[in-house]
Amino acid sequence: AQTVTQSQPEMSVQEAETVTLSCTYDTSESDYYLFWYKQPPSRQMILVIRQEAYKQQNATENRFSVNFQKAAKSFSLKISDSQLGDAAMYFCAYRSETGAQKLVFGQGTRLTINP
Amino acid sequence: NAGVTQTPKFQVLKTGQSMTLQCAQDMNHNSMYWYRQDPGMGLRLIYYSASEGTTDKGEVPNGYNVSRLNKREFSLRLESAAPSQTSVYFCASSAVGRGTEAFFGQGTRLTVV
Repeated sequence: AQTVTQSQPEMSVQEAETVTLSCTYDTSESDYYLFWYKQPPSRQMILVIRQEAYKQQNATENRFSVNFQKAAKSFSLKISDSQLGDAAMYFCAYRSETGAQKLVFGQGTRLTINP
Repeated sequence: NAGVTQTPKFQVLKTGQSMTLQCAQDMNHNSMYWYRQDPGMGLRLIYYSASEGTTDKGEVPNGYNVSRLNKREFSLRLESAAPSQTSVYFCASSAVGRGTEAFFGQGTRLTVV
């Protein structure tokens, strides 16, 4: 079974600085997607960014970018120019694109932004 | 559009009671999911349904049953609630296709006393 591990329960960053959240995963498959979701205090889950395993180019969405290392099974999220509104729980997730497309999440990282 | 709607939003149960959490989506999605969220453990998949009439166990299915009533609705039933089932429960849905986004309900906070 696929597993996703986020080893940083909590992170903090100064406003306007850059922070990187780590994620590793374990799979024997070659065709999959990786996601980062954000959960603010409202509990709503919001998709931040996604990465296809077949694509070598790292995905970018405005201030959010990933560092995808397929061989190392690593998928980190970089947030540039951190804003107060970025404070939230961040979850890394994996989904196979073959067979049952179960979406598997990591344990989450709570990000605090210091003004 | 309502998206994914879960009911109820809050519930307190006594040990041994049963209840059903309801979930409905209006996006014509085939895939639906039930998760539980506990501090330090992220979201753990309870059950998954790839389409109407099909269900599959996730990581933590014990103590739960599900029913995919139709394409829109996917319910989660606790037959005999236990304190260990105290959690926040999320329903989600996604369309068929590569890398499609999962859409989540607002969650149900369940307390079993």
